[in-house]
Amino acid sequence: AQSVSQHNHHVILSEAASLELGCNYSYGGTVNLFWYVQYPGQHLQLLLKYFSGDPLVKGIKGFEAEFIKSKFSFNLRKPSVQWSDTAEYFCAVNARGGADGLTFGKGTHLIIQP
Amino acid sequence: SQTIHQWPATLVQPVGSPLSLECTVEGTSNPNLYWYRQAAGRGLQLLFYSVGIGQISSEVPQNLSASRPQDRQFILSSKKLLLSDSGFYLCAWSPYPQGRNTEAFFGQGTRLTVV
Repeated sequence: AQSVSQHNHHVILSEAASLELGCNYSYGGTVNLFWYVQYPGQHLQLLLKYFSGDPLVKGIKGFEAEFIKSKFSFNLRKPSVQWSDTAEYFCAVNARGGADGLTFGKGTHLIIQP
Repeated sequence: SQTIHQWPATLVQPVGSPLSLECTVEGTSNPNLYWYRQAAGRGLQLLFYSVGIGQISSEVPQNLSASRPQDRQFILSSKKLLLSDSGFYLCAWSPYPQGRNTEAFFGQGTRLTVV
């Protein structure tokens, strides 16, 4: 079974600061990796995804993530955050080619102070 | 375009009462369907998934059950709610049949409070 660990449960940053949210997964096979975001009062939506190929993936709103296979990591980054990035961020993984759903981390609550 | 509908948005139910949450997907056929529960500080936990009508896989043994009576309809049920069933329930779908790489799309969720 897969497991996902997000290192920071609460992060507070000022606008224009750089962001990096850590995510590590545990699984013996090949995985797909995702970051989802839940803005206040909104539904969960996909930020970016990695299936194969270039390990550096770019998503919406200036976010990117890097898959480092040797470290079982998929950290989320943004060079300069905005107040509108305040949200809950979830890292998720599923087995490549499977339909058995996503395994999520516990989430990181990010607060951006103006 | 595809859309997912989940209702009700909020629900307050007494302990011991039954539960029925419904989720429907429009604009696609034969989707994979999922029920997740989000509890405070615990992330999202997969409860059930379905790859076809009448096919339900349970990830976590509990007081809940799921059914898929139609291709694009997924129902979460309980015969008798417990206090521990309180939480935020999310329905999701993915656009490909089993064996393909997918992402999941989520509904708005149902906030269930058992009192």
